[in-house]
Amino acid sequence: AQSVTQPDIHITVSEGASLELRCNYSYGATPYLFWYVQSPGQGLQLLLKYFSGDTLVQGIKGFEAEFKRSQSSFNLRKPSVHWSDAAEYFCAVGSGSSNTGKLIFGQGTTLQVKP
Amino acid sequence: DTAVSQTPKYLVTQMGNDKSIKCEQNLGHDTMYWYKQDSKKFLKIMFSYNNKELIINETVPNRFSPKSPDKAHLNLHINSLELGDSAVYFCASSSARVRGNNEQFFGPGTRLTVL
Repeated sequence: AQSVTQPDIHITVSEGASLELRCNYSYGATPYLFWYVQSPGQGLQLLLKYFSGDTLVQGIKGFEAEFKRSQSSFNLRKPSVHWSDAAEYFCAVGSGSSNTGKLIFGQGTTLQVKP
Repeated sequence: DTAVSQTPKYLVTQMGNDKSIKCEQNLGHDTMYWYKQDSKKFLKIMFSYNNKELIINETVPNRFSPKSPDKAHLNLHINSLELGDSAVYFCASSSARVRGNNEQFFGPGTRLTVL
């Protein structure tokens, strides 16, 4: 069965520091991978997605993620965190081959940014 | 120009009541979804409709009944509300021939509190 694991429930970084949020997935075929961000009281906004091709994908707000098939990982990175990045981050895998469009989400990582 | 809208934003009700949450998207998408986010922020798919046809129906109590009057609307009706139904419910939409590799656009969520 497909699954997504985000090992870090809560991360605190200082403003200006670099950030890496981990995501591991379990999926039999080539996964369709997504990172979403949820600001307090808001819906989910897509940061970036990977379907195929270049394994390093760029997203909005200065985020990037790298797909590593050998490690079943899709970690999210940002070189310098801003206070406005404090939010909940969700990694998700889509079942593209089954044509259902369902997204399986990880448990989420809460990012806190210290001034 | 709200892409995916939900009403109401907040819903507080008593156990045993029946309530509905409405969702509308103006993106011209053909697939719509309902997700439930529990108190631990875990997101799980409930239903998915494509062109008004039910394509995903996860293990959800039959007290929950989605209704799609047209492609732009997917409403969620809940009968005999229980305390455990308290959660944030997100509507989402997507489009493309292969639904699994699409970005899903999320609404702002409806926070349901059952007393």
